[in-house]
Amino acid sequence: DAKTTQPPSMDCAEGRAANLPCNHSTISGNEYVYWYRQIHSQGPQYIIHGLKNNETNEMASLIITEDRKSSTLILPHATLRDTAVYYCIVRVRNQGGKLIFGQGTELSVKP
Amino acid sequence: DADVTQTPRNRITKTGKRIMLECSQTKGHDRMYWYRQDPGLGLRLIYYSFDVKDINKGEISDGYSVSRQAQAKFSLSLESAIPNQTALYFCATSDNRGQGAGELFFGEGSRLTVL
Repeated sequence: DAKTTQPPSMDCAEGRAANLPCNHSTISGNEYVYWYRQIHSQGPQYIIHGLKNNETNEMASLIITEDRKSSTLILPHATLRDTAVYYCIVRVRNQGGKLIFGQGTELSVKP
Repeated sequence: DADVTQTPRNRITKTGKRIMLECSQTKGHDRMYWYRQDPGLGLRLIYYSFDVKDINKGEISDGYSVSRQAQAKFSLSLESAIPNQTALYFCATSDNRGQGAGELFFGEGSRLTVL
């Protein structure tokens, strides 16, 4: 699986958009970008995934650059409950369990 | 009730003891995984299973063993626990079919302390 690079921490004001970047410059053509988050020692929670098109669901939007070497997870209106560690992972979609988590970005949403 | 249930949620044990962490799921998924998490670190994959009787090593399998004797159950054993196995352990499941393929569903975690 391709390696990802994320900033260790970010702050965001409540109600504003949180934009979390991820670099995955060695991503290969059949690898998807997945985002998970972990709220204070709970089990990680799936957020969204994509291959090359931008994706949106009820939780977030995922913007993938045209060269697919980086992506941004957007939480459009961050709330205090969005404070968590966010993990960006790239992997082949139906591959086995080798979903490798890096250290993620610790997002703090402040009032 | 949670779709992925781990027992026990918390356990304190002594060095050298055998420990089993159990995971059961009601999602009907064929794939199950065990991860461990240490403070300040991401999750590391210990073992995973694609189906009953199928076992695969992950990143850090030494000192651990697993058993998948039913689709819904995947247990993790520490044959002789040591202090550096003190960690938060997560079980996860996934379905290899459909739009959600590859999405992992995690249990609530089992906190293990080895003294």
